[in-house]
Formats: sequence, C-alpha cells, structure tokens
Amino acid sequence: LAKTTQPISMDSYEGQEVNITCSHNNIATNDYITWYQQFPSQGPRFIIQGYKTKVTNEVASLFIPADRKSSTLSLPRVSLSDTAVYYCLVGDFSLTGGGNKLTFGTGTQLKVEL
Amino acid sequence: DTAVSQTPKYLVTQMGNDKSIKCEQNLGHDTMYWYKQDSKKFLKIMFSYNNKELIINETVPNRFSPKSPDKAHLNLHINSLELGDSAVYFCASSLRGRQYEQYFGPGTRLTVT
Repeated sequence: LAKTTQPISMDSYEGQEVNITCSHNNIATNDYITWYQQFPSQGPRFIIQGYKTKVTNEVASLFIPADRKSSTLSLPRVSLSDTAVYYCLVGDFSLTGGGNKLTFGTGTQLKVEL
Repeated sequence: DTAVSQTPKYLVTQMGNDKSIKCEQNLGHDTMYWYKQDSKKFLKIMFSYNNKELIINETVPNRFSPKSPDKAHLNLHINSLELGDSAVYFCASSLRGRQYEQYFGPGTRLTVT
C-alpha cells in the first residue's frame, strides 16, 4: 500500500474551514484515497473516498490533483464536535485488488476551539 | 439500533487467562474484521473474514483465534493472555466490494495485569 504522510496535529476555531493535506507520492494506478475520522474512545468512521478531481458529500470534500500524489480533506465550518483524529488511507480496495485491507497511519489530530 | 456491537466494552484480566470478545453486526455485511489499537494509538488489522472464510491473517500470535459462526458474527478468543495484549480491540464490517467503507464497533478495552 502507498505510504501516506499527514501533519501530526492541526488547530482551528469554530466556523472556520479546515484543510488537511495528505501526501502519497507512491500511489498506484488502482489505488483509491479514503479518509476516516476517529473520536476519542470510539472506532474510526468512514468520511469520504475518491480517485481523482473532487468528491463532495454531506460531511466533507476531497480534492485530488491530476498527479494524485496528494489529497486534501476539506471540512467546512468546523465545530467543537469535529475535534478528532483524521486518517488518510490509500489502497486498492476493488474486488480484484490485493490490497483489501485498511492500513492506518498516525493520522492528524484536529483540535477545534471556540 | 447498533450497527456493529462488541461485548464486553471493558475487560480486565490476569496474565495467563483465556478470554473472548464477541462481535455482531446487523448491517447485512459479508466481511468482518478485527483490529488492535495500542497505547500509541496505532490501529492495525489482525484478521478479516468474508462469508465465514478467513481472508486476512496478519502476523498475529497463534494465541489469537478468530471464529465466525455466521456472517453476522466474528468472535476473538485469546489464550494465555500477556501484558502486551493490553489494547483496544475493534471489530468492523463491510461489504466485500466496498472494503474501503468499514463500519467499526465501539471497541473493547482489554487490560492484562
């Protein structure tokens, strides 16, 4: 699986937009980019997945440049409840792909304050 | 309605004991997983089952034995517990074609004394 690099921590204030960037220079053609969120004392929760360009859902947006060597998770107007660890994962999760397991790195600890 | 449930939530036991953690999902998923999150918060996959068949078995001591009686259940039995087994264990499930979207349980905090 492609190795990922994220900032260890980020601070923000309520109402701001937060962008967390993940580097994955060795991403393979069949790899997808997936983000998870983990609150303290809870299991991780799937946020969003993308392959290229932009993906948006009710929680976040994911921006992926043409070379796919990085990606940015964008959280609009964060609140205190968005304080969590955010994980960027890269892998081939297709039925025919061999990388059918999630490999979590250290993640980014986002702290949102008033 | 709990999607992925685990019991117990907390487990405190002594070295050398044998213990089990149960996991159930009511999402209709066909793939289930066990993860271990250590004190440094690293989350690592241990096992994965698809339709009751073992498909991922990471480098885990054979003291750990998963059992899947049916698609909705994946239990984890641990023999001869060691201090290093202390961690939070998460169960998860997904559809086989959507392994990237896993649903995690609340975790079981195991403390071995």
